[in-house]
Amino acid sequence: GAVVSQHPSWVICKSGTSVKIECRSLDFQATTMFWYRQFPKQSLMLMATSNEGSKATYEQGVEKDKFLINHASLTLSTLTVTSAHPEDSSFYICSALRDAQETQYFGPGTRLLVL
Amino acid sequence: AQSVTQLDSHVSVSEGTPVLLRCNYSSSYSPSLFWYVQHPNKGLQLLLKYTSAATLVKGINGFEAEFKKSETSFHLTNPSAHMRDAAEYFCVVSDRRDNQGGKLIFGQGTELSVKP
Repeated sequence: GAVVSQHPSWVICKSGTSVKIECRSLDFQATTMFWYRQFPKQSLMLMATSNEGSKATYEQGVEKDKFLINHASLTLSTLTVTSAHPEDSSFYICSALRDAQETQYFGPGTRLLVL
Repeated sequence: AQSVTQLDSHVSVSEGTPVLLRCNYSSSYSPSLFWYVQHPNKGLQLLLKYTSAATLVKGINGFEAEFKKSETSFHLTNPSAHMRDAAEYFCVVSDRRDNQGGKLIFGQGTELSVKP
């Protein structure tokens, strides 16, 4: 298989705090991982591309200082939402690119609610 | 530029009847095309993919899709819908240009409802 996990699956935090979300590829190595955001009843919006050992590439309009991405190993990427505000509440989904198959495998998502 | 259009935002069928979810794409390159399914509050699961091999692609749970270059379409079908198939379906094209690092371009999604 090609399994990608995310942790936590849901989180509630107070406004102004930071939240870290982990994305792990469990049975394959992923040089590249992606972070998406999804609003209710909408499609996925790519936030950034995470490359192992280098800086992430952010999509236009995504604040890199707000959404910190670290891809420290071939199986782990983290997204930190800094100084979270209610408008950051969303469903965050990561994916890992399995290079040999040219296919992205998705994590189960993290529901973030900022109060 | 590459793009994906899912022609129906919502499709409703009765259990046991055929399903057709329509997708058209636009690409200047030889595309890789995918269908993903998302159940409520879940991540995306790969149903099937086309990567320039056979034009008729078979996926999981009885789903299949046919790549038609002349029509720039990649419609998803299933001969018999099950209640478990009720979900959101995304048609996706991969940007295969070298400098795009495998980025995916998503359609807007089609919600499939299955009536008993």
